[in-house]
Amino acid sequence: DAKTTQPPSMDCAEGRAANLPCNHSTISGNEYVYWYRQIHSQGPQYIIHGLKNNETNEMASLIITEDRKSSTLILPHATLRDTAVYYCIVRVDRDDKIIFGKGTRLHILP
Amino acid sequence: DTGVSQDPRHKITKRGQNVTFRCDPISEHNRLYWYRQTLGQGPEFLTYFQNEAQLEKSRLLSDRFSAERPKGSFSTLEIQRTEQGDSAMYLCASSLAPQRPGKTQYFGPGTRLLVL
Repeated sequence: DAKTTQPPSMDCAEGRAANLPCNHSTISGNEYVYWYRQIHSQGPQYIIHGLKNNETNEMASLIITEDRKSSTLILPHATLRDTAVYYCIVRVDRDDKIIFGKGTRLHILP
Repeated sequence: DTGVSQDPRHKITKRGQNVTFRCDPISEHNRLYWYRQTLGQGPEFLTYFQNEAQLEKSRLLSDRFSAERPKGSFSTLEIQRTEQGDSAMYLCASSLAPQRPGKTQYFGPGTRLLVL
């Protein structure tokens, strides 16, 4: 079973920041938080990952709470092309397989 | 385009027929993974290879499923005696081992199978 809990769906207006929450209350000390997304009819795409500190890259920002029991993926200026299912995953770095949950279906509204 | 290609992209078959899918990973990647995804669910791990060796198989991979990676490059996934429950998207991914945080798996576009 997936170790994370995400809302099944969310809406966000185009141009606004999309904030996607994820609960991972049983995360262990050596587990990273990863985010992937899957645009319709495509394979999953890596977005970002983090261990303790907040992270930012060209796609998104990842905010991890101090107790590491939850995190938020932030898409700063959502566009229609960000409409996708977003998966929050916890895994150790040596894990070979990825365990996906059902993710959050994000709808960007024009 | 991630550099991982899969063929065919779509396959319709009749129950009881055999089907074979092919995956070409990113050329320098030594690990190759197969996942299955049904409607409304996240991808589920099936099996993975490091070079030619098949190192792990999920219990989802029944006896009717077989995967090979004979030369450590492309891989094939065969399903024998297909059943309607095999209808799904079959995803392939590749990575460069050893894994490091951020050296993640790159996924192909998938093969969508419909068993009638």
